[in-house]
Parts: sequence; C-alpha cells; structure tokens
Amino acid sequence: GAGVSQSPSNKVTEKGKDVELRCDPISGHTALYWYRQSLGQGLEFLIYFQGNSAPDKSGLPSDRFSAERTGGSVSTLTIQRTQQEDSAVYLCASSATPSGAQYFGPGTRLTVL
Amino acid sequence: AQRVTQPEKLLSVFKGAPVELKCNYSYSGSPELFWYVQYSRQRLQLLLRHISRESIKGFTADLNKGETSFHLKKPFAQEEDSAMYYCAVSVVGSNYKLTFGKGTLLTVNP
Repeated sequence: GAGVSQSPSNKVTEKGKDVELRCDPISGHTALYWYRQSLGQGLEFLIYFQGNSAPDKSGLPSDRFSAERTGGSVSTLTIQRTQQEDSAVYLCASSATPSGAQYFGPGTRLTVL
Repeated sequence: AQRVTQPEKLLSVFKGAPVELKCNYSYSGSPELFWYVQYSRQRLQLLLRHISRESIKGFTADLNKGETSFHLKKPFAQEEDSAMYYCAVSVVGSNYKLTFGKGTLLTVNP
C-alpha cells in the first residue's frame, strides 16, 4: 500500500515568510508524528497527534511553529516568520497504534535564505 | 529525560567482516529500543525493535538493561549495508515519541 507522503519535497523561502508543510499518513493510522532532522541537532521530535486527543506539542521549538491534523488524517505543519535556523528536513511519521512501529515519509527539505 | 548515545559517527569495515554499531541510552520509565536505517536517497525505515527480537537483513540487537546498551550486530557485512544507522528510544507514557541518537554512518568497502 501507499506509504506516508509529504509535500512539497523541497521548499526554499525567504527569511520572514510563512511556510506550510503537508503530511499524508498511511490510511487508518491513528498516530502521527512530526520530527526535524538538522545537521546540528540530529533528529528531534516536534509534535504528536493521536486520534481526537489534544496534541503533544512539547517538542515545538518556538511559538512560530504550529500544526494541525484535520479529520484524523492529513496534517499541516506551519512555520511563521521563518528564520535561517529553521532550515532542516521535516519528517512526518505515522503508526497504526500509539505503541506501533512508526513509518516515515520522505521528508520536506526546507531552506530559509 | 531520554538520551541516546551513538559514540561512532563513522564506521568503516570490509565486506564479509563483522560489524557492531554501538548504542547506549539513558531513560526514565519503561524504554523501548529501536534501530532505524536510512539508505542513500531513501526514507528512514525501521530495521529492528527490541520487543520483536527478530533478525532483519542479518542484523540482530540485544537489549542489555544492566549496561543500558542496544548494540546492533551483523556477522558478515555486505556492501548494501552501507547506510546511516540511528538508534532510538521511546518510553511508555511519553506518547511513544522517539528520541534518536546522532547516527552512525556505516561504510562497507569491497
């Protein structure tokens, strides 16, 4: 079946602009995670959605970052007023159950000029 | 807080040689340990999780709670094993979010 998909695959933006990154999880997966992969920090957890529960936002680095998940499926990560330090690969993962294996998407490479 | 340490950033072996990628962790709670692999230009994918105790692509990993280690081993490395390997931990009660190590780049030379 189809795996986790993310769009766009690459995004180049100017400092100060807002960006939206999209994640389509595997159909039927109730848990959805966003991670960030950067040269300096490695792979870091950002936010977690599970069903209709309140999301776990404990990994978001600043209030410029937000995410939503509509209808328990597609998720959008929004970064407002982007900064150069936001440049990274943003990864989405989903799992069938909270304790299940996480399946990753190909990522969105964000470059902030 | 969870922490994962992979002491080797780079590891180079010859084809047919044994390979061991080290992983040590610190945690609070009940940890679950994973190895993820990322081949060149491919997405991150799960290689092993300790609760399944499977052998995938000839790799095995044993959880040593006394040494808080989860080293990844393969007796005979193949060139196609060349990739970036990440050790990760999740903890029951922490929404199963993964805490990753910095990764080890394994190169298997012909």
